[in-house]
Amino acid sequence: DVKVTQSSRYLVKRTGEKVFLECVQDMDHENMFWYRQDPGLGLRLIYFSYDVKMKEKGDIPEGYSVSREKKERFSLILESASTNQTSMYLCATTDISNYGYTFGSGTRLTVV
Amino acid sequence: DQQVKQNSPSLSVQEGRISILNCDYTNSMFDYFLWYKKYPAEGPTFLISISSIKDKNEDGRFTVFLNKSAKHLSLHIVPSQPGDSAVYFCAASVMDNYGQNFVFGPGTRLSVLP
Repeated sequence: DVKVTQSSRYLVKRTGEKVFLECVQDMDHENMFWYRQDPGLGLRLIYFSYDVKMKEKGDIPEGYSVSREKKERFSLILESASTNQTSMYLCATTDISNYGYTFGSGTRLTVV
Repeated sequence: DQQVKQNSPSLSVQEGRISILNCDYTNSMFDYFLWYKKYPAEGPTFLISISSIKDKNEDGRFTVFLNKSAKHLSLHIVPSQPGDSAVYFCAASVMDNYGQNFVFGPGTRLSVLP
């Protein structure tokens, strides 16, 4: 089974801090995604990557950036955290056919 | 160990017929369930949900059934249309001290054939 590991389960950061959320997958999957989950808004795609050093904006990229230096690792960066970025962040991965999404367990970020 | 399973990675159905997508879960503490639909190159969109106090919820062509004793839920689409072709995710949630925690299944790719 593909495992998708998100480095932190719960995180509390201050407004203005730079925040790194890490996602690591242990299979050779090409596609990786970052979503945020908010009550009443469902899952919203922030950024995705189809290959190393490749990134594409999703539906809500503002205030975020990403890094994919290695195939197995996809990092989400909050350049200057704000309270409206308090959310559950989910990483997901699929292989090149886009079958069989696997989600990480999520990182619940609170910005105070 | 996956807490939310969608054992069929893909499903093909003829237009006009019923599509049934299945989802099984292992954690009896889950109390809220959702279905999402995802088109290629787009983020998932919320489709329909059901609380654990109900066994059925309908919204137009979409009906979700929940069988708590079997830890099983299913999404029925009737009649199926070609525009329903997408990946469907089942998700289950439980409230903890920090809020609601969601666990997603791997998805089932539905193809509705004209």
